[in-house]
Amino acid sequence: EDQVTQSPEALRLQEGESSSLNCSYTVSGLRGLFWYRQDPGKGPEFLFTLYSAGEEKEKERLKATLTKKESFLHITAPKPEDSATYLCALYSGTYKYIFGTGTRLKVLA
Amino acid sequence: ETGVTQTPRHLVMGMTNKKSLKCEQHLGHNAMYWYKQSAKKPLELMFVYSLEERVENNSVPSRFSPECPNSSHLFLHLHTLQPEDSALYLCASSQEDDTEQFFGPGTRLTVL
Repeated sequence: EDQVTQSPEALRLQEGESSSLNCSYTVSGLRGLFWYRQDPGKGPEFLFTLYSAGEEKEKERLKATLTKKESFLHITAPKPEDSATYLCALYSGTYKYIFGTGTRLKVLA
Repeated sequence: ETGVTQTPRHLVMGMTNKKSLKCEQHLGHNAMYWYKQSAKKPLELMFVYSLEERVENNSVPSRFSPECPNSSHLFLHLHTLQPEDSALYLCASSQEDDTEQFFGPGTRLTVL
């Protein structure tokens, strides 16, 4: 059975304190792994798509990486505005999406 | 309007009411989705439409009934709901099945 697990469930960082969020998965055939950011009271906002192991993508202070078993979202020198819930989602084909429960990130000034 | 819009943003209904949620995408995408988001649970994919045809129905109770009259509009018709159906209902669209989804702001539903 395809599964996604995100850790930690919640994370508090001081401004400038770099860290990583984890998304581990088991899937019969990975077609894509997505990262989204969700602010309170809003829908998720797309960040990255990774399609194959070894792939990396960057955007401002965020960098996403993918291996055959997990993906990391690295946050470098975070700012308070990076506070949000970060979701990862597996796509295994034919509109089969599985989302993780998310990591709630709080960055303190 | 740009992106994906949803109405209403908030809805309170009794268990015997009938209501509908509306979603509209202004992105020219081919696929539209309904998700349920409950506290402490992952997003649950409920329905998927591709080019106005339903392609996925993840064993959703029949008290939820989707409708996709054209590629820009998606409805979720609700009737005789249960209190456990209270949640945030999100609509999304994507160009293809394996591309990023764009989400609306959601409808916060409370069933009394």
